[in-house]
Amino acid sequence: GAVVSQHPSWVICKSGTSVKIECRSLDFQATTMFWYRQFPKQSLMLMATSNEGSKATYEQGVEKDKFLINHASLTLSTLTVTSAHPEDSSFYICSAGDSFSGNTIYFGEGSWLTVV
Amino acid sequence: GQNIDQPTEMTATEGAIVQINCTYQTSGFNGLFWYQQHAGEAPTFLSYNVLDGLEEKGRFSSFLSRSKGYSYLLLKELQMKDSASYLCAVSPSGGNKLTFGTGTQLKVEL
Repeated sequence: GAVVSQHPSWVICKSGTSVKIECRSLDFQATTMFWYRQFPKQSLMLMATSNEGSKATYEQGVEKDKFLINHASLTLSTLTVTSAHPEDSSFYICSAGDSFSGNTIYFGEGSWLTVV
Repeated sequence: GQNIDQPTEMTATEGAIVQINCTYQTSGFNGLFWYQQHAGEAPTFLSYNVLDGLEEKGRFSSFLSRSKGYSYLLLKELQMKDSASYLCAVSPSGGNKLTFGTGTQLKVEL
């Protein structure tokens, strides 16, 4: 079964609204989680590193005020896309690593966001 | 900066062998991963290399040469279900942060 769970799997929202995506580690604690974005027929692009109890670290070119990340507990990170626009429509996916399982990195199921 | 290159597309025949190459130039290196991704789904872990050489895992093998910044994924006895995107990813700084390559779309034909 999944060890990293994302919710929702898909969401449609209107332009200008905000959408929250959750990423949970189910069987382990994750002090860091990672958020990626993937456009159709493209690879995964790292957006930010979510750090438990502190600010997220954003990759170059990613607007921190638009993509709000909160990592309030060791098992939950949330990504909020604020004032969404159609160009934000994408597949968003999170990952986390279990320090007790070596180098295994687990990915969430992904969340499809469509902004209309 | 980080630069990870893969061929965009490849086509192979069912039952055959295919090799997907990956070259990388990254600021650091703490391991290379291969993932399989079917359309609309999350990536699935295939292999991990941190030392030079070949890692074999059933029908899948992965090779790494750190001095050349090169890896390949070898898929044997191809099946139709192997049609997917194959992603090469490098961990530049350790931990679980990955930088992904461009991805290779593999199509397996009869």
